[in-house]
Amino acid sequence: SSELTQDPAVSVALGRTVRVTCQGDSLRTYYANWYQQKPGQAPVLVIYGKNDRPSGIPARLSGSSSGNTASLTITGAQADDEADYYCSSRDITGNHVVFGGGTKLTVL
Amino acid sequence: EVHLVESGGGLVKPGGSLRLSCAASGFTFDNYAMHWVRQAPGKGLEWVSGIGWNSGGIDYADSVKGRFTISRDSVKNSLFLQMDSLRAADTAFYYCAKALTGDSSTLDSWGQGTLVTVSS
Repeated sequence: SSELTQDPAVSVALGRTVRVTCQGDSLRTYYANWYQQKPGQAPVLVIYGKNDRPSGIPARLSGSSSGNTASLTITGAQADDEADYYCSSRDITGNHVVFGGGTKLTVL
Repeated sequence: EVHLVESGGGLVKPGGSLRLSCAASGFTFDNYAMHWVRQAPGKGLEWVSGIGWNSGGIDYADSVKGRFTISRDSVKNSLFLQMDSLRAADTAFYYCAKALTGDSSTLDSWGQGTLVTVSS
């Protein structure tokens, strides 16, 4: 089983705010990275570090962390945000990389 | 612009071998760690292996340790994954990914993947 736990599915009304969470002991030590994956496409890094966004990622996506939980927040969700979202970090030993099971975000 | 192109996937029988390649361009290959991540059809992402900028810091997921070998060639600007003793559970799309720094696990660029199917 994954060492990072995500809700399998979350939905949000168009234009509203949604939070996707990721829980794991390693998150007390390491920041989470967040990846967005749309059907038939490769994953794309959307949030990394404390709350950094790669070039081209809209500012409505943001990251935060508290204790063993990391969160990806989408403020004013758009239809284009509908995708699978995966968190990842180092595992508790720091030697391996782990991914959460993924959250399917539906924009209603 | 970073460009990563995987090749070498295909159909192989259980117990067989395959060697995946990833051709990198658009960045200074020697400066960055590289990783392999796989995704079984309809399933989530699973980290497979990573290698540091200088071929140090090699790590493997427990599920592939002892069967897979990661390597890189700075002359060819390429990343490789030698996969031996393949099992049905290894069936997946295999993505090559560039790390943010020389030893990072933050994957800021991904290839489009190559499909490996292990079946008799």
